[in-house]
Amino acid sequence: DVELLESGGGLVQPGGSLRLSCAASGFKFRTQAMTWVRQAPGKGLEWVSSMSGSGRDSHYADSVKGRFTVARDNSKSILYLQMNNLRVEDTAVYYCAKLSAGYWGQGTLVAVSS
Amino acid sequence: DIVMTQTPLSSPVTLGQPASISCRSSQSLVHSDGHTYLSWLQQRPGQPPRLLIHEISNRFSGVPDRFSGSGTGTDFTLNITRVEAEDVGVYFCMQATQFAYTFGQGTKLEIK
Repeated sequence: DVELLESGGGLVQPGGSLRLSCAASGFKFRTQAMTWVRQAPGKGLEWVSSMSGSGRDSHYADSVKGRFTVARDNSKSILYLQMNNLRVEDTAVYYCAKLSAGYWGQGTLVAVSS
Repeated sequence: DIVMTQTPLSSPVTLGQPASISCRSSQSLVHSDGHTYLSWLQQRPGQPPRLLIHEISNRFSGVPDRFSGSGTGTDFTLNITRVEAEDVGVYFCMQATQFAYTFGQGTKLEIK
């Protein structure tokens, strides 16, 4: 069975950093583009970042560009999201997803507050 | 960025009756490869999103056939033929034709 398991969320002060991880299993991770999507409390879905299977190509939402960095370790089937200079408005549940195949993780909550 | 606009934002429906949600994009979602990457997602309370429909009208594995998608270019529709209690939640359209991927605001389906 396909599984995407996010971890690394938590409470952080504005300006702080966190690194999210997404451990994938049950499919050929190294060949699949992967995506981070977030959802602020009570709000809709917002695409954050995507990375190609090889890791050569990455894309970011304007709201996170220059602060967030997506990466992957295909040898371990893990997708990462390094989040720096966090803002209150980054507070959200962050989902890891293989969008085209319909796979979503359960999400990890990031709360940015002083 | 492509703006996705859903209507209605709230849809009270009687059990067993049909429901319809529209999604309009600010520009054509036809990719240069000829595919149209318009999907519909369902999010039940407290759950992550679930893919229902991909590429306008293709039902994802395990999705009941009461769900169907249609449309072309910039106008798309999700139809539910007979709403069941388990269909309660928020429905999102999403385009993956062009970065930045974008979602509609969400339509809350509730039972009258």
